[in-house]
Amino acid sequence: ETGVTQSPTHLIKTRGQQVTLRCSSQSGHNTVSWYQQALGQGPQFIFQYYREEENGRGNFPPRFSGLQFPNYSSELNVNALELDDSALYLCASSLASGRSYNEQFFGPGTRLTVL
Amino acid sequence: AQRVTQPEKLLSVFKGAPVELKCNYSYSGSPELFWYVQYSRQRLQLLLRHISRESIKGFTADLNKGETSFHLKKPFAQEEDSAMYYCALSGNTPLVFGKGTRLSVIA
Repeated sequence: ETGVTQSPTHLIKTRGQQVTLRCSSQSGHNTVSWYQQALGQGPQFIFQYYREEENGRGNFPPRFSGLQFPNYSSELNVNALELDDSALYLCASSLASGRSYNEQFFGPGTRLTVL
Repeated sequence: AQRVTQPEKLLSVFKGAPVELKCNYSYSGSPELFWYVQYSRQRLQLLLRHISRESIKGFTADLNKGETSFHLKKPFAQEEDSAMYYCALSGNTPLVFGKGTRLSVIA
């Protein structure tokens, strides 16, 4: 059984650019959630994908978007990057049905720096 | 609105002393409460959840709906307990996290 993996590990972008972060779910999991963790803060929920559909969204603007693929891997896309987007982005996978929330397994994160 | 408050940013205790990490929550429905832990250089992982009523690594947490609290306790702290601890709530969204408490166990 493989755990959640994320790529890249680190990324540096400039304001206004676009970024794509990738996540591979733990084997057998059908749900992926993305979180943003700013320095000194707890993770903040961005959105969740279940069976390739968005299944809940936190308080993030539309320039944060995502995709889930048939193999349950996922992407987080952020357009028009702002300095405040600098953070650790965490992906978590789980085995869920509809809106029941089971234990989430986290990846190591992608550290995004926006200059 | 869902909210989780962890009032202590840092908690230092001596080895063998009791530990209590505080967590208060705000949610109008019936929440699921969790404690997640992040050891140095490791990823965030689930420590325990209230519906399991388990003791994991000597830690327990009781959901007190009257006080809207879910404090994490351990009677005797060990050095390997040093880590970042996050309380989290699942209600309308998968997880709402508190800001975390760093536990430092001093030998």
